[in-house]
Amino acid sequence: AQSVAQPEDQVNVAEGNPLTVKCTYSVSGNPYLFWYVQYPNRGLQFLLKYITGDNLVKGSYGFEAEFNKSQTSFHLKKPSALVSDSALYFCAVRAIKAAGNKLTFGGGTRVLVKP
Amino acid sequence: NAGVTQTPKFQVLKTGQSMTLQCAQDMNHEYMSWYRQDPGMGLRLIHYSVGAGITDQGEVPNGYNVSRSTTEDFPLRLLSAAPSQTSVYFCASSYSGGPHQETQYFGPGTRLLVL
Repeated sequence: AQSVAQPEDQVNVAEGNPLTVKCTYSVSGNPYLFWYVQYPNRGLQFLLKYITGDNLVKGSYGFEAEFNKSQTSFHLKKPSALVSDSALYFCAVRAIKAAGNKLTFGGGTRVLVKP
Repeated sequence: NAGVTQTPKFQVLKTGQSMTLQCAQDMNHEYMSWYRQDPGMGLRLIHYSVGAGITDQGEVPNGYNVSRSTTEDFPLRLLSAAPSQTSVYFCASSYSGGPHQETQYFGPGTRLLVL
């Protein structure tokens, strides 16, 4: 079975400061890892993914994430947060051989960026 | 491309009523999935399909039926609505192969209230 943990329900950060959203996972074998963002009353938007290769993955809107296999983590980061980054962020994992691209999501972390 | 579309956007049902949530995609994706989103629980997979005529259960399938007669459409049926099915429902689709096979594209969601 695969699982994802996002230990923080909410992260508060001042605009211009670094933003980190934590994610740890459990999966059999090598993982595919994803970050999605959800703005109010909207569907999920893809931010970035780790499939293989470089552990540092760069995605949309200046976000990046670092895959750490030994710590089974995939934390999302942004060097300088914007007020417009305020949203709900989901980490997701998929086993490479999962049928139908089935994803398992974490519970979500709400990010609030204050001006 | 319209991407993934869902109808209706919002629905109120009485306990015991049935209804169908519609999902369509125009990207010729083989894989389609239904998720429900509940506060603090992230998204949980209800049913998924790897192609026309092929469906399988996800994590929380009870009370829901699906069928996939065409590549484009993947309706979700609630057989006898219960208050526990009050949720936001998201449809997603993805390729089955190629460099973007792992990325799922989400619809805008259907908000369902069961009284």
